[in-house]
Amino acid sequence: EDQVTQSPEALRLQEGESSSLNCSYTVSGLRGLFWYRQDPGKGPEFLFTLYSAGEEKEKERLKATLTKKESFLHITAPKPEDSATYLCAVLRKGSNYKLTFGKGTLLTVNP
Amino acid sequence: NAGVTQTPKFRVLKTGQSMTLLCAQDMNHEYMYWYRQDPGMGLRLIHYSVGEGTTAKGEVPDGYNVSRLKKQNFLLGLESAAPSQTSVYFCASTKSGTGANVLTFGAGSRLTVL
Repeated sequence: EDQVTQSPEALRLQEGESSSLNCSYTVSGLRGLFWYRQDPGKGPEFLFTLYSAGEEKEKERLKATLTKKESFLHITAPKPEDSATYLCAVLRKGSNYKLTFGKGTLLTVNP
Repeated sequence: NAGVTQTPKFRVLKTGQSMTLLCAQDMNHEYMYWYRQDPGMGLRLIHYSVGEGTTAKGEVPDGYNVSRLKKQNFLLGLESAAPSQTSVYFCASTKSGTGANVLTFGAGSRLTVL
Protein backbone atom coordinates (compact mmCIF):
# COMPACT_ATOMS: atom_id res chain seq x y z
CA GLU A 1 0.00 0.00 0.00
CA ASP A 2 1.30 3.43 -0.94
CA GLN A 3 1.92 5.76 1.96
CA VAL A 4 2.71 9.47 2.19
CA THR A 5 3.63 11.19 5.45
CA GLN A 6 4.07 14.93 5.66
CA SER A 7 5.79 16.82 8.44
CA PRO A 8 5.36 18.99 10.30
CA GLU A 9 1.56 19.12 10.44
CA ALA A 10 1.75 22.87 10.94
CA LEU A 11 4.55 25.41 10.63
CA ARG A 12 4.54 29.03 11.64
CA LEU A 13 7.25 31.31 10.21
CA GLN A 14 8.11 34.95 10.33
CA GLU A 15 8.28 36.75 7.00
CA GLY A 16 11.73 36.14 5.53
CA GLU A 17 12.44 33.09 7.72
CA SER A 18 13.36 30.23 5.37
CA SER A 19 12.40 26.62 6.15
CA SER A 20 11.54 23.25 4.62
CA LEU A 21 8.53 20.95 4.52
CA ASN A 22 9.05 17.19 4.39
CA CYS A 23 7.20 14.48 2.48
CA SER A 24 8.23 10.87 3.18
CA TYR A 25 6.80 8.24 0.89
CA THR A 26 6.56 4.50 0.37
CA VAL A 27 5.50 3.32 -3.08
CA SER A 28 6.42 0.36 -5.22
CA GLY A 29 7.49 1.95 -8.47
CA LEU A 30 7.30 5.73 -8.28
CA ARG A 31 5.98 7.35 -11.43
CA GLY A 32 5.90 10.85 -10.04
CA LEU A 33 5.73 12.92 -6.87
CA PHE A 34 3.51 15.98 -6.86
CA TRP A 35 3.30 19.10 -4.73
CA TYR A 36 0.06 21.07 -4.52
CA ARG A 37 -0.90 24.25 -2.70
CA GLN A 38 -4.36 24.60 -1.17
CA ASP A 39 -5.81 27.88 0.05
CA PRO A 40 -8.72 27.88 2.52
CA GLY A 41 -12.03 27.12 0.83
CA LYS A 42 -10.41 26.27 -2.50
CA GLY A 43 -9.25 23.22 -4.39
CA PRO A 44 -5.61 22.16 -4.54
CA GLU A 45 -3.47 23.97 -7.11
CA PHE A 46 -0.58 22.22 -8.84
CA LEU A 47 2.96 23.35 -8.05
CA PHE A 48 5.53 20.73 -9.14
CA THR A 49 6.05 17.22 -10.43
CA LEU A 50 9.28 15.35 -9.68
CA TYR A 51 10.05 12.08 -11.43
CA SER A 52 13.40 10.77 -10.23
CA ALA A 53 15.82 11.03 -7.31
CA GLY A 54 18.07 14.05 -7.58
CA GLU A 55 15.58 16.12 -9.51
CA GLU A 56 14.88 19.70 -8.40
CA LYS A 57 12.31 22.25 -9.54
CA GLU A 58 11.90 25.90 -8.60
CA LYS A 59 9.13 28.43 -8.75
CA GLU A 60 9.58 31.86 -7.19
CA ARG A 61 10.40 31.27 -3.50
CA LEU A 62 9.71 27.52 -3.66
CA LYS A 63 12.12 24.73 -4.53
CA ALA A 64 11.17 21.05 -4.50
CA THR A 65 13.71 18.25 -4.28
CA LEU A 66 13.40 14.47 -4.42
CA THR A 67 15.32 11.52 -3.00
CA LYS A 68 14.43 7.82 -3.11
CA LYS A 69 12.50 8.09 0.16
CA GLU A 70 11.41 11.69 0.58
CA SER A 71 10.83 15.07 -0.95
CA PHE A 72 11.43 18.50 0.49
CA LEU A 73 9.69 21.75 -0.31
CA HIS A 74 12.11 24.54 0.55
CA ILE A 75 10.65 27.98 1.09
CA THR A 76 13.14 30.84 0.85
CA ALA A 77 12.33 34.20 2.43
CA PRO A 78 8.59 33.47 2.62
CA LYS A 79 5.94 36.15 2.44
CA PRO A 80 2.48 36.18 4.07
CA GLU A 81 0.93 35.26 0.73
CA ASP A 82 2.76 31.93 0.88
CA SER A 83 0.48 30.94 3.75
CA ALA A 84 -1.48 27.85 2.68
CA THR A 85 -1.68 24.11 3.13
CA TYR A 86 0.91 22.27 1.05
CA LEU A 87 -0.01 18.78 -0.11
CA CYS A 88 2.31 16.05 -1.33
CA ALA A 89 1.10 13.13 -3.45
CA VAL A 90 2.66 10.11 -5.14
CA LEU A 91 1.68 8.30 -8.30
CA ARG A 92 2.54 4.62 -8.64
CA LYS A 93 3.35 3.15 -12.03
CA GLY A 94 0.36 1.41 -13.60
CA SER A 95 -2.16 2.89 -11.15
CA ASN A 96 -4.46 4.66 -13.66
CA TYR A 97 -3.33 8.02 -12.32
CA LYS A 98 -4.64 7.38 -8.80
CA LEU A 99 -2.68 9.72 -6.58
CA THR A 100 -2.08 8.99 -2.91
CA PHE A 101 -2.04 12.19 -0.90
CA GLY A 102 -0.45 13.07 2.40
CA LYS A 103 -2.39 14.98 5.04
CA GLY A 104 -0.65 18.23 4.28
CA THR A 105 1.37 20.87 6.11
CA LEU A 106 -0.39 24.07 7.13
CA LEU A 107 2.08 26.93 6.65
CA THR A 108 1.45 30.30 8.25
CA VAL A 109 3.78 33.19 7.49
CA ASN A 110 3.44 36.15 9.80
CA PRO A 111 4.34 39.68 8.63
CA ASN B 1 -11.79 28.42 -19.73
CA ALA B 2 -13.81 27.48 -16.68
CA GLY B 3 -11.69 24.39 -15.88
CA VAL B 4 -13.47 22.11 -13.41
CA THR B 5 -16.82 23.30 -12.09
CA GLN B 6 -18.62 21.69 -9.17
CA THR B 7 -22.25 22.22 -8.22
CA PRO B 8 -23.60 22.81 -5.69
CA LYS B 9 -20.93 24.54 -3.57
CA PHE B 10 -22.82 23.97 -0.32
CA ARG B 11 -25.57 21.58 0.68
CA VAL B 12 -27.21 20.50 3.93
CA LEU B 13 -28.99 17.14 3.99
CA LYS B 14 -30.90 15.18 6.56
CA THR B 15 -29.91 11.58 7.27
CA GLY B 16 -31.44 9.29 4.68
CA GLN B 17 -31.91 11.91 1.98
CA SER B 18 -30.32 11.51 -1.44
CA MET B 19 -28.46 13.96 -3.62
CA THR B 20 -26.14 14.26 -6.60
CA LEU B 21 -22.99 16.33 -6.94
CA LEU B 22 -22.17 17.43 -10.47
CA CYS B 23 -18.68 17.89 -11.87
CA ALA B 24 -18.17 19.44 -15.28
CA GLN B 25 -14.87 20.01 -17.09
CA ASP B 26 -14.31 21.87 -20.34
CA MET B 27 -10.73 20.73 -21.01
CA ASN B 28 -11.58 17.55 -22.93
CA HIS B 29 -9.95 15.46 -20.20
CA GLU B 30 -10.34 11.68 -20.27
CA TYR B 31 -9.81 10.91 -16.58
CA MET B 32 -12.01 12.25 -13.79
CA TYR B 33 -11.97 11.67 -10.02
CA TRP B 34 -14.00 12.29 -6.91
CA TYR B 35 -12.15 12.87 -3.62
CA ARG B 36 -13.33 13.67 -0.13
CA GLN B 37 -11.31 15.77 2.29
CA ASP B 38 -11.77 15.49 6.03
CA PRO B 39 -9.77 17.18 8.81
CA GLY B 40 -6.75 15.07 9.70
CA MET B 41 -7.44 12.56 6.91
CA GLY B 42 -6.17 14.24 3.77
CA LEU B 43 -7.68 13.67 0.35
CA ARG B 44 -9.16 10.20 -0.18
CA LEU B 45 -10.28 8.83 -3.53
CA ILE B 46 -13.94 7.78 -3.73
CA HIS B 47 -14.44 6.78 -7.37
CA TYR B 48 -12.80 7.57 -10.66
CA SER B 49 -13.34 7.24 -14.41
CA VAL B 50 -10.81 6.70 -17.19
CA GLY B 51 -13.22 7.59 -19.96
CA GLU B 52 -16.83 8.12 -20.98
CA GLY B 53 -19.00 5.23 -19.81
CA THR B 54 -16.40 3.84 -17.37
CA THR B 55 -16.20 4.04 -13.59
CA ALA B 56 -14.10 2.34 -10.93
CA LYS B 57 -13.89 2.23 -7.15
CA GLY B 58 -11.28 4.14 -5.21
CA GLU B 59 -10.21 3.94 -1.60
CA VAL B 60 -13.53 4.82 0.11
CA PRO B 61 -16.41 3.97 -2.30
CA ASP B 62 -19.03 2.68 0.15
CA GLY B 63 -22.24 4.73 0.22
CA TYR B 64 -21.52 6.47 -3.08
CA ASN B 65 -22.34 5.84 -6.72
CA VAL B 66 -21.03 7.56 -9.83
CA SER B 67 -21.85 7.91 -13.50
CA ARG B 68 -19.94 9.20 -16.52
CA LEU B 69 -22.52 9.32 -19.30
CA LYS B 70 -20.82 12.23 -21.03
CA LYS B 71 -17.08 12.81 -21.28
CA GLN B 72 -17.28 16.25 -19.71
CA ASN B 73 -19.46 15.30 -16.72
CA PHE B 74 -18.87 13.08 -13.69
CA LEU B 75 -21.71 12.70 -11.19
CA LEU B 76 -21.37 11.59 -7.57
CA GLY B 77 -24.52 10.28 -5.91
CA LEU B 78 -25.43 9.64 -2.31
CA GLU B 79 -28.48 7.36 -2.16
CA SER B 80 -29.06 7.54 1.59
CA ALA B 81 -26.90 10.17 3.25
CA ALA B 82 -25.27 9.48 6.62
CA PRO B 83 -23.57 11.90 9.05
CA SER B 84 -20.25 10.17 8.25
CA GLN B 85 -20.54 11.58 4.74
CA THR B 86 -20.25 15.13 6.02
CA SER B 87 -17.16 16.33 4.18
CA VAL B 88 -15.76 18.55 1.47
CA TYR B 89 -15.88 16.84 -1.91
CA PHE B 90 -13.45 17.65 -4.69
CA CYS B 91 -13.68 16.69 -8.31
CA ALA B 92 -10.52 16.55 -10.40
CA SER B 93 -9.61 15.73 -13.97
CA THR B 94 -6.55 15.05 -16.09
CA LYS B 95 -5.91 14.54 -19.77
CA SER B 96 -4.64 10.99 -19.54
CA GLY B 97 -2.92 8.49 -17.27
CA THR B 98 0.66 9.44 -18.04
CA GLY B 99 2.72 10.93 -15.27
CA ALA B 100 3.37 14.02 -17.35
CA ASN B 101 -0.15 15.25 -16.76
CA VAL B 102 -1.45 16.87 -13.59
CA LEU B 103 -4.75 16.86 -11.81
CA THR B 104 -6.89 19.99 -12.10
CA PHE B 105 -9.25 20.37 -9.15
CA GLY B 106 -12.60 22.04 -8.75
CA ALA B 107 -13.30 24.47 -5.92
CA GLY B 108 -15.07 21.87 -3.80
CA SER B 109 -18.57 21.08 -2.55
CA ARG B 110 -19.19 21.26 1.18
CA LEU B 111 -21.80 18.74 2.31
CA THR B 112 -23.29 18.59 5.80
CA VAL B 113 -25.49 15.65 6.80
CA LEU B 114 -27.56 16.21 9.93
